[in-house]
Amino acid sequence: RKEVEQDPGPFNVPEGATVAFNCTYSNSASQSFFWYRQDCRKEPKLLMSVYSSGNEDGRFTAQLNRASQYISLLIRDSKLSDSATYLCVAPKAAGNKLTFGGGTRVLVKP
Amino acid sequence: DAGVTQSPTHLIKTRGQHVTLRCSPISGHKSVSWYQQVLGQGPQFIFQYYEKEERGRGNFPDRFSARQFPNYSSELNVNALLLGDSALYLCASSLDWLNEQFFGPGTRLTVL
Repeated sequence: RKEVEQDPGPFNVPEGATVAFNCTYSNSASQSFFWYRQDCRKEPKLLMSVYSSGNEDGRFTAQLNRASQYISLLIRDSKLSDSATYLCVAPKAAGNKLTFGGGTRVLVKP
Repeated sequence: DAGVTQSPTHLIKTRGQHVTLRCSPISGHKSVSWYQQVLGQGPQFIFQYYEKEERGRGNFPDRFSARQFPNYSSELNVNALLLGDSALYLCASSLDWLNEQFFGPGTRLTVL
């Protein structure tokens, strides 16, 4: 089993709709998690940090389920500019290497 | 404020050659990490350095090495290049080895 797994998608989303996708992790010792956004042929950019049960930033909500070992990202009122690959990250241990999932591709269409 | 910078942006090498990639972290950041990203996959961890000491190493062969300088900039060296080393090499910096990491634009390496 991969340490961090994501549905590769693509998730085709009508503009204005809500989309949500999950990321599962295998290391129960992971304490903090991150969502990064990556545009085509660009570097990943930090979208959100998740340290406890969840986090919300505008249209973006991340939730952590430690019992089932997954985190989710929900995007409300999708914009065309939300089209990107969303990378889930679970550090192996505090301060240790970041373990990335393969990414979930989201395509928002008019 | 300048973000993480990397050089060169693109590089073409042939099999067997070696390459040195460079990274300057965000001012004030003392930790630098290196990642390899192959097309269609997430970044794979190579090394993490903090205060010039190696803090972590991923599953990469000994052909890969790195170091961090007193000014916290870093170099990634790859010897005896293979075709499979073709990838985007990303550098990320953080305040220390516990905090969020911020990525540079990457160096795209092509091995022919």
